[in-house]
Amino acid sequence: DVKVTQSSRYLVKRTGEKVFLECVQDMDHENMFWYRQDPGLGLRLIYFSYDVKMKEKGDIPEGYSVSREKKERFSLILESASTNQTSMYLCASTTSYPELADLSDTQYFGPGTRLTVL
Amino acid sequence: TQLLEQSPQFLSIQEGENLTVYCNSSSVFSSLQWYRQEPGEGPVLLVTVVTGGEVKKLKRLTFQFGDARKDSSLHITAAQPGDTGLYLCAGERDSSYKLIFGSGTRLLVRP
Repeated sequence: DVKVTQSSRYLVKRTGEKVFLECVQDMDHENMFWYRQDPGLGLRLIYFSYDVKMKEKGDIPEGYSVSREKKERFSLILESASTNQTSMYLCASTTSYPELADLSDTQYFGPGTRLTVL
Repeated sequence: TQLLEQSPQFLSIQEGENLTVYCNSSSVFSSLQWYRQEPGEGPVLLVTVVTGGEVKKLKRLTFQFGDARKDSSLHITAAQPGDTGLYLCAGERDSSYKLIFGSGTRLLVRP
């Protein structure tokens, strides 16, 4: 079973704090993604990574950075949290070689981190 | 920017009723996926459709990909309370592993 875990289910931070959200997957997936989910807006891609130390901006990267030092771990960093970053953050991973892994090319999601910035 | 519009946004129905959720775009997608998300959890994949006109069935759920690969529908027959959740469609952009998600349809099936 593919497992994607996120470091916290709930997080409350103050404006201006530096926030780290951690995501770990145990299926040796090459691709990892960070989304935020807001009511009525669906999931919006913040950043993604297709290999260690590789990253690309998604649709809404402003105010965020990421780090991928190891294949299994993808971190989302809020350098200076603001109230408009209050949201549900979802991490996902997928393989680049679904036929070899005998898996579909589905994105496997973690349970999410609900972040509140006060 | 590619957009996926889902309708309706909310649906509250009685157990045993049928329903259809729509996912529309002006853009062509290489594939389209449907996910269901329950409160406090991440989305879980239900199905992927790849070929224009394709129809896939998953028990009481029927998924269809439009001929032009711009739209899709999800039909649930005889809905049950266990079908309650947020249904999301997602289109794959240019076989790049990146997905564009629709805004979601929140379904409540009342016993």
